[in-house]
Amino acid sequence: AQKITQTQPGMFVQEKEAVTLDCTYDTSDPSYGLFWYKQPSSGEMIFLIYQGSYDQQNATEGRYSLNFQKARKSANLVISASQLGDSAMYFCAMREPAGGNQFYFGTGTSLTVIP
Amino acid sequence: NAGVTQTPKFQVLKTGQSMTLQCAQDMNHEYMSWYRQDPGMGLRLIHYSVGAGITDQGEVPNGYNVSRSTTEDFPLRLLSAAPSQTSVYFCASSYSGTGRNEQFFGPGTRLTVL
Repeated sequence: AQKITQTQPGMFVQEKEAVTLDCTYDTSDPSYGLFWYKQPSSGEMIFLIYQGSYDQQNATEGRYSLNFQKARKSANLVISASQLGDSAMYFCAMREPAGGNQFYFGTGTSLTVIP
Repeated sequence: NAGVTQTPKFQVLKTGQSMTLQCAQDMNHEYMSWYRQDPGMGLRLIHYSVGAGITDQGEVPNGYNVSRSTTEDFPLRLLSAAPSQTSVYFCASSYSGTGRNEQFFGPGTRLTVL
């Protein structure tokens, strides 16, 4: 079974609007971490936001927030007030304690912001 | 503080050739890993290391070797290159343990095998 599932290969959003990128995960370990990374067309991987499995509140970092629904095993990324520079690939990832804290990545969502 | 560095940035190989992709980090991270990125498949783990002298296989280890003689360096060796190994390779590092400890990525190596 896939550890991380991102079901939206591509998304479009109007500039200044909010957009939600979906991510579901699969683990039986009670302790895990969830991450979102951005990959612009230049290719580098940029860390955006982190949510720990025991965190009571949803994580926020500026215009990024993580909608963490533990019972549903979902960790959706919400980008508010989209900007043209948000156009990129977005990857959801999970870290499990097994395997020395191994990371698992989803297949990514390509976001295009329309002016 | 250079972070994670990778060399080379680009490489073209012929089938059957061998080469080493270099990765170094200066953040004293225990955990280092190699991924390959192919279109539509996200990042897939090749090999990882939780400290000097300790390495283990990831999801797609065949055709690749690694070693970790120091905390800083984690080279990836392609033993006999095949066209199926054409990909973008990323090295990453992080602190071990729970908590945020996000992975820091190198700039990537774009490899083409003819």
